[in-house]
Amino acid sequence: GAVVSQHPSRVICKSGTSVKIECRSLDFQATTMFWYRQFPKKSLMLMATSNEGSKATYEQGVEKDKFLINHASLTLSTLTVTSAHPEDSSFYICSASAPGANVLTFGAGSRLTVL
Amino acid sequence: DQQVKQNSPSLSVQEGRISILNCDYTNSMFDYFLWYKKYPAEGPTFLISISSIKDKNEDGRFTVFLNKSAKHLSLHIVPSQPGDSAVYFCAASLNRGKLTFGQGTILTVHP
Repeated sequence: GAVVSQHPSRVICKSGTSVKIECRSLDFQATTMFWYRQFPKKSLMLMATSNEGSKATYEQGVEKDKFLINHASLTLSTLTVTSAHPEDSSFYICSASAPGANVLTFGAGSRLTVL
Repeated sequence: DQQVKQNSPSLSVQEGRISILNCDYTNSMFDYFLWYKKYPAEGPTFLISISSIKDKNEDGRFTVFLNKSAKHLSLHIVPSQPGDSAVYFCAASLNRGKLTFGQGTILTVHP
C-alpha cells in the first residue's frame, strides 16, 4: 500500500531557529501533499496544500512566511518553520493521496518542541 | 467555525461489546466521509469511508452509518477489542478535496 514517510519524528530547537520537516511518498508520486497541525486534544487542522512545481495554497490564518512549504519533486514536500517560537510547538503531520486512491495516507508525524 | 464535530471527547467500552462513535457536520455539501484511527505519536490511519449516496458501509467489525438529513454519521465497532483503543477522527470532504476533521474521540476498550 501507499506509504508516506516523515522526518524527523521529533525535533527540539531553540527559539528563533528554523526547522525543516520532510514528507516523502515512498512508493508513489504525489502531485499534491497536505500539511496538518494538531494541538493537544484538538482536531487536525489543515495548514496548507503543497503542489508540486507551484506555490502552496495556505489556509486562512496560516502565515506563509512563517511556514514555508516547498514541493520540489513528485515525492518530496518540505515544511520549514522559520524563526520558531514556543507557540509553534506542535505535532505536524503530512499526507498524500496515491493516484487512484480515494483516501489520504498520513505520515507518522513530527513532534516539534521549541524551547 | 467547526464544520465537523465529535461531541464526545472519550468513550469507554468493555471488550466484546459494541463501540459507537458519533460525528455531526454542518456543511450539507460534504459528499464523502471517512474515519481515521490514531495512536499516540503516530499519524492517522484510514479505517473506513462512506459516500453521501450511501447510508451504510461495512468492513469486517467496522460499520459506518450516514444520516444525511440529520447530518450525522457514526462508526460502530463490534465486537470491540483492546487493540481498538485509540483516538478516532471523523473527516468530511467535498468532491474528494481537502479533509475537514472532527476533534477526535478517545476510545478505551477494557479487557
